Amino acid sequence: AQSVTQLGSHVSVSEGALVLLRCNYSSSVPPYLFWYVQYPNQGLQLLLKYTTGATLVKGINGFEAEFKKSETSFHLTKPSAHMSDAAEYFCAVSEGSNQFYFGTGTSLTVIP
Amino acid sequence: DTGVSQNPRHKITKRGQNVTFRCDPISEHNRLYWYRQTLGQGPEFLTYFQNEAQLEKSRLLSDRFSAERPKGSFSTLEIQRTEQGDSAMYLCASSFGTGASYEQYFGPGTRLTVT
Repeated sequence: AQSVTQLGSHVSVSEGALVLLRCNYSSSVPPYLFWYVQYPNQGLQLLLKYTTGATLVKGINGFEAEFKKSETSFHLTKPSAHMSDAAEYFCAVSEGSNQFYFGTGTSLTVIP
Repeated sequence: DTGVSQNPRHKITKRGQNVTFRCDPISEHNRLYWYRQTLGQGPEFLTYFQNEAQLEKSRLLSDRFSAERPKGSFSTLEIQRTEQGDSAMYLCASSFGTGASYEQYFGPGTRLTVT
């Protein structure tokens, strides 16, 4: 069975500091991995995804994530936080079943 | 590309009433998904369609829930005899292609409050 664990339901960083949001997954087969962002009262927007190939994936708004099979992780990073990055972030995994399994989310606060 | 749209955005209903939500996917997308999201949780899969065929349903989808996608275009999600536990955000998503690697595009959701 698939599952996604996001460590830290709330993360606070100072503006300009490194953002690190953690995601670990369990999967019996090589997974497809996704990060989504959700702003208040809005739907989810795709930040980036990993399917195959290069394990370091670059997404929108300066975010990137690295797939580490040995650690079953897909952590999301951004070198320098911006106030507009404050939102809820969700990691998701998909196998052949086509449905996405989401983590419980991490709320990012950016302190000016 | 106008994105995925959902109507209504908010719905308040009394316990025991029936409600219906509508989702209009991105026009060329053949897959359509319904999720439920409660406060502090990630979206949970309910069901999905490939064109007009409903291919998978979650155990979360009780007999009071029914979804349709006539003609493979828009979809409706109906909840009969609503209960307070049905209060949640209902999200619709669509994707192009039939593989698990295709990203899903989400609508803004319908927030249901059952009083």
